[in-house]
This record gives sequence, structure tokens and C-alpha cells, in this order.
Amino acid sequence: DVKVTQSSRYLVKRTGEKVFLECVQDMDHENMFWYRQDPGLGLRLIYFSYDVKMKEKGDIPEGYSVSREKKERFSLILESASTNQTSMYLCASSLGTGYNSPLHFGNGTRLTVT
Amino acid sequence: TQLLEQSPQFLSIQEGENLTVYCNSSSVFSSLQWYRQEPGEGPVLLVTVVTGGEVKKLKRLTFQFGDARKDSSLHITAAQPGDTGLYLCAGPSDGGATNKLIFGTGTLLAVQP
Repeated sequence: DVKVTQSSRYLVKRTGEKVFLECVQDMDHENMFWYRQDPGLGLRLIYFSYDVKMKEKGDIPEGYSVSREKKERFSLILESASTNQTSMYLCASSLGTGYNSPLHFGNGTRLTVT
Repeated sequence: TQLLEQSPQFLSIQEGENLTVYCNSSSVFSSLQWYRQEPGEGPVLLVTVVTGGEVKKLKRLTFQFGDARKDSSLHITAAQPGDTGLYLCAGPSDGGATNKLIFGTGTLLAVQP
């Protein structure tokens, strides 16, 4: 089974701090994704990466950046955390593209910015 | 902009009841997926429907893709407490060229024993 591991289940940070959310997958998947999940809004794509050092903006990239230096690791960076970035963050990976390559999700990081 | 709207938003039922969850869009999707998310966990894929009019069954769960590929439904027969969770539909935002998915807002199901 694919395992996607997010380094923290819960994080509490202060406004203005630089925050790193880490995600590691163990199945040599090409694609990795960061979503945020908010009540009533569903999951919204922040960034995705289709190869090492490659990244593409999703629907809500403002205030975020990402890093993919190794195939198995995809980091989400909040350059200067703000209270409106309080949310559940979900990392996912997929082997390839198309409907035969479903997303495999981690268990999420609940970030609170105070 | 492609949107997926799910209804109802919340559903609380007794064990043994039947229910249907809907996923609707004004856009055509090349495929639609259904995920279930249990508390404290990430979403897990249940099924993918690809062909208009397609019906897929997964034990007590029946998934249907609309003929025009703009909508989908999930029907659960004789719901059990283990079916409790957030049900999400999702479709490719770019015709499937990548795995960028648009997710619906979700249906939160609670099955009471």
C-alpha cells in the first residue's frame, strides 16, 4: 500500500512566522499535491509537482510556495503565516496522470495561526 | 470555471436506511471519482466512473455517472455505522491531462446505530 506521511498532525504558529509542512511518499510516485480543506469549501489545490524541481500553481497559491528537491518529498512553505491560513492541509501523491492514477492522501496537518 | 456541487451537505440517518448523495456540475467531466474521508484521516478513493451512464457497485454502494457526464450519484443501501464519513466527488480540472482534481464541497454522513 502507498503510504503518504505528513510530518505533523497539529501545528500552532504565530502570525508572521515562516512555516514548513513536510510530506513524504514511499511509492516512487511522479506527482505530488498540496490541498487545503475548509468546511463548506471542500478541498482546494494550492500547488502540485509532476517531477523533481518542477512545480505548478493550483487554484489558491497566494501566500504559499513549495519545494521538491527529492522525488519522495514535497514541502509546503508559508512565507509569513496569517490567520486566514488556519486550515487542514492535505498532501497527496499519484503514480501518473489520468483516471487510472488516483490520488493517495496523507492524514493531514491541522494548522492554527494565532 | 468548473464547479462540483454536492447535496445534501449533511445527512444523519439510522442504521438500515437507504440514502442517495448527489454531485452536480454545469460542466462535462471526462471522469468522476468518489472518495470517503473518515475523521482524522485523508480521503480514500472508492470508485472512478468514466463512461456516461455507467453504473458501478461496491458492496452496498452504487455509483452512477450521468449520461451527459455532468453529474453523478452515490446510493447506499442499508447504511451501517461504518459508512459514517465525508463523501467527496472529484473530477479532473483539465480534461485529465494531469491529475489536478476539482473536489465537491462534500456530504457529511452520520449513521446512527
